[in-house]
Amino acid sequence: AQTVTQSQPEMSVQEAETVTLSCTYDTSENNYYLFWYKQPPSRQMILVIRQEAYKQQNATENRFSVNFQKAAKSFSLKISDSQLGDTAMYFCAFMRGNAGNNRKLIWGLGTSLAVNP
Amino acid sequence: KAGVTQTPRYLIKTRGQQVTLSCSPISGHRSVSWYQQTPGQGLQFLFEYFSETQRNKGNFPGRFSGRQFSNSRSEMNVSTLELGDSALYLCASNPSGSMGNEQFFGPGTRLTVL
Repeated sequence: AQTVTQSQPEMSVQEAETVTLSCTYDTSENNYYLFWYKQPPSRQMILVIRQEAYKQQNATENRFSVNFQKAAKSFSLKISDSQLGDTAMYFCAFMRGNAGNNRKLIWGLGTSLAVNP
Repeated sequence: KAGVTQTPRYLIKTRGQQVTLSCSPISGHRSVSWYQQTPGQGLQFLFEYFSETQRNKGNFPGRFSGRQFSNSRSEMNVSTLELGDSALYLCASNPSGSMGNEQFFGPGTRLTVL
């Protein structure tokens, strides 16, 4: 069974600095998708960034980028120039690529990130 | 386009009762998934519906059920509520349920079981 581990329950960073959130996963699959979702306090979950496992190039979305190490099964999120609005719970999630009828997101327990002024 | 809406936003029930939660996906989205979020277990997949058919199911007891209507709106029902069912229930939609697609989440229904 697939599992997703986020080893940092809480992190903090000063505004304008860079922070990296860790995520490791376990799977025997070769084709899959990885996601980072953000859940701000009392607000809706939104997608931050997505990575297809067959793509070697790391995904980037503005200030957000990932370091995808397929062999190490590691998928870390780097937030550059942190802003107060980045304060949120961040979840790493996995989905099998050949899921058939087992198409679901498997989630880590999350990292609570606080951006301090 | 309106986002995913969930009703009610908050619900308080007592043990043994049953509850029905509703989710309206983004217009044009045919896939609706439900997740349970608790501090201890995190986010766990309940089920996914596509074109009125349950396509995927998580590892929850039969007390948890759902359905989807022809307009893609979905409901989930929990019967014989237990204290452990207290959680935030999230609904997510995407256009076709294709693998790797972004899921668009609603604000959730906070269920408290007393």
